[in-house]
Amino acid sequence: AQRVTQPEKLLSVFKGAPVELKCNYSYSGSPELFWYVQYSRQRLQLLLRHISRESIKGFTADLNKGETSFHLKKPFAQEEDSAMYYCALKERPGGGGADGLTFGKGTHLIIQP
Amino acid sequence: GAVVSQHPSWVICKSGTSVKIECRSLDFQATTMFWYRQFPKQSLMLMATSNEGSKATYEQGVEKDKFLINHASLTLSTLTVTSAHPEDSSFYICSVAQGASLANEKLFFGSGTQLSVL
Repeated sequence: AQRVTQPEKLLSVFKGAPVELKCNYSYSGSPELFWYVQYSRQRLQLLLRHISRESIKGFTADLNKGETSFHLKKPFAQEEDSAMYYCALKERPGGGGADGLTFGKGTHLIIQP
Repeated sequence: GAVVSQHPSWVICKSGTSVKIECRSLDFQATTMFWYRQFPKQSLMLMATSNEGSKATYEQGVEKDKFLINHASLTLSTLTVTSAHPEDSSFYICSVAQGASLANEKLFFGSGTQLSVL
């Protein structure tokens, strides 16, 4: 069975400092990885996905199959980045279909002024 | 992106009663919706996949007779917690998958329903 691990429940950094939110996964196949974000009093929303290889709001994440990791990074944190971040995995056995996600427990990121 | 409306946002009920939660896709016809549950300090856990016009697919350990899912139209899926007990108290969230292909498929989430069973 697939599993997603986010080792940090809480991460606090100062504004302008680099941020790295860790995510490791366990899955025997070829998964698709996502980062979701939930700002205070807002609904969960997609931040980025590994197949898009995009940078959203300054965040990037690279899938490292050797280390089975998908860490989220941002070089200079901003106060508005404070939120709950969830790493998620979707099975991709046949390359198609709308599958639900397996989520990590989330990391609460706090950016201090 | 898709707009997903979930109702009610919170509900308190007595043990033994049934509670219905609605999930609507307001601007998109969703053949598939997902229901998640989140206990305090825990992660979102997929409960079931709701398929329009057919039976829902439940994840292992989720009782299909307790959590009834109906997806009668392309814009509405309902989750009914039957004979609710205090251990069913949780945060329930629905989501809708949108995208023409796997490459651009995205999930959009409702705002969630906090269920408290007394």
